[in-house]
Amino acid sequence: DGGITQSPKYLFRKEGQNVTLSCEQNLNHDAMYWYRQDPGQGLRLIYYSQIVNDFQKGDIAEGYSVSREKKESFPLTVTSAQKNPTAFYLCASSHRDGRLAGRQETQYFGPGTRLLVL
Amino acid sequence: GEDVEQSLFLSVREGDSSVINCTYTDSSSTYLYWYKQEPGAGLQLLTYIFSNMDMKQDQRLTVLLNKKDKHLSLRIADTQTGDSAIYFCAESIGAGNNRKLIWGLGTSLAVNP
Repeated sequence: DGGITQSPKYLFRKEGQNVTLSCEQNLNHDAMYWYRQDPGQGLRLIYYSQIVNDFQKGDIAEGYSVSREKKESFPLTVTSAQKNPTAFYLCASSHRDGRLAGRQETQYFGPGTRLLVL
Repeated sequence: GEDVEQSLFLSVREGDSSVINCTYTDSSSTYLYWYKQEPGAGLQLLTYIFSNMDMKQDQRLTVLLNKKDKHLSLRIADTQTGDSAIYFCAESIGAGNNRKLIWGLGTSLAVNP
């Protein structure tokens, strides 16, 4: 089955600790995204990557880091610099900007990881 | 600036139609999307519409787009309790590496038996 997986489903972080959220896709998508969701605030883009070994900051990148060493994987690290990390984190992937007329970049989402601070 | 607005709550009776509305500000949007999110889950794509269309129908779902008023709506016919969820509207703007989605805050749909 093709899809996007995120692990773990729940993650607990201690004060001053870095934690890494996993995101894997087998849809052969070039682009991958990380969003943060807080109650009443919708989705906010943290980082995105259009191609392997390249990524760009989104709207709220401070306190986060990513890597894109493989097409299938886009892990997100929540660093100790992120002072309010409690949130629901969603990973998504899509085809890259299409060269074919009419092709569009629908984003497909994983099931999410809920990060809680101890 | 870029903005997508939705009403926060909608309550309907089972079997009635639901209409969820969305307004956006960027007239250069190419695609507009509707996603559904059930509690504790990721977002599920429901449907999308290209900006040169004014209507799209897919089983119980009907999307209407009024480009002049920058207004998008999602109609769910014969609403069921399983349709209770948060519905997000999003518009795709920009091109190439600058393409991004602008999200609404979501409309929480409650379906009463």
